[in-house]
Amino acid sequence: GESVGLHLPTLSVQEGDNSIINCAYSNSASDYFIWYKQESGKGPQFIIDIRSNMDKRQGQRVTVLLNKTVKHLSLQIAATQPGDSAVYFCAENGGATNKLIFGTGTLLAVQP
Amino acid sequence: NAGVTQTPKFRILKIGQSMTLQCTQDMNHNYMYWYRQDPGMGLKLIYYSVGAGITDKGEVPNGYNVSRSTTEDFPLRLELAAPSQTSVYFCASSSSPRDRGIFGPGTRLTVL
Repeated sequence: GESVGLHLPTLSVQEGDNSIINCAYSNSASDYFIWYKQESGKGPQFIIDIRSNMDKRQGQRVTVLLNKTVKHLSLQIAATQPGDSAVYFCAENGGATNKLIFGTGTLLAVQP
Repeated sequence: NAGVTQTPKFRILKIGQSMTLQCTQDMNHNYMYWYRQDPGMGLKLIYYSVGAGITDKGEVPNGYNVSRSTTEDFPLRLELAAPSQTSVYFCASSSSPRDRGIFGPGTRLTVL
């Protein structure tokens, strides 16, 4: 659910657990998706991307899943660490519009 | 490679003043974007450009103008600053609409 006062949904996990962050995208024509991590006071940093001809892509400790049928993305972080605490955003490229549009974002809070 | 640079880092404006936020990238990227991020919120696309001489509106263009006379530079202009424009502004660039966007460090603007 939504976090009071911060406007962003919050996911609280224990250190060492796996985290799953979800995102619903809006444009069925989007064919490229990105997950970004934003730490306090900094700009978004690229984590992982996926093209629409794939449904899963793995990186180091992170996996992105894409379900085009329901326009849903998820980011899985394995063995979550305190350094993973940040706001996570998904973004879509809007297909032919060339716009890079961001989702709402989720605050990940890792408890030691 | 400096990546994406933004100036100034901070600025306080009075209502009705004007200013230009500078954004420069040295990666020869054709695509450039301006976003605003209100406290505790996500990123909203203001304007974007797919190449020199070409600009288009994003989700929240009102009160802003842009130009793209060179590949490297994408300045954002506020003509009559309003308190509602208090925000953090991020510039980003990418080589294509199917490549990761690289973000600058942001400009924190306060309008009083």
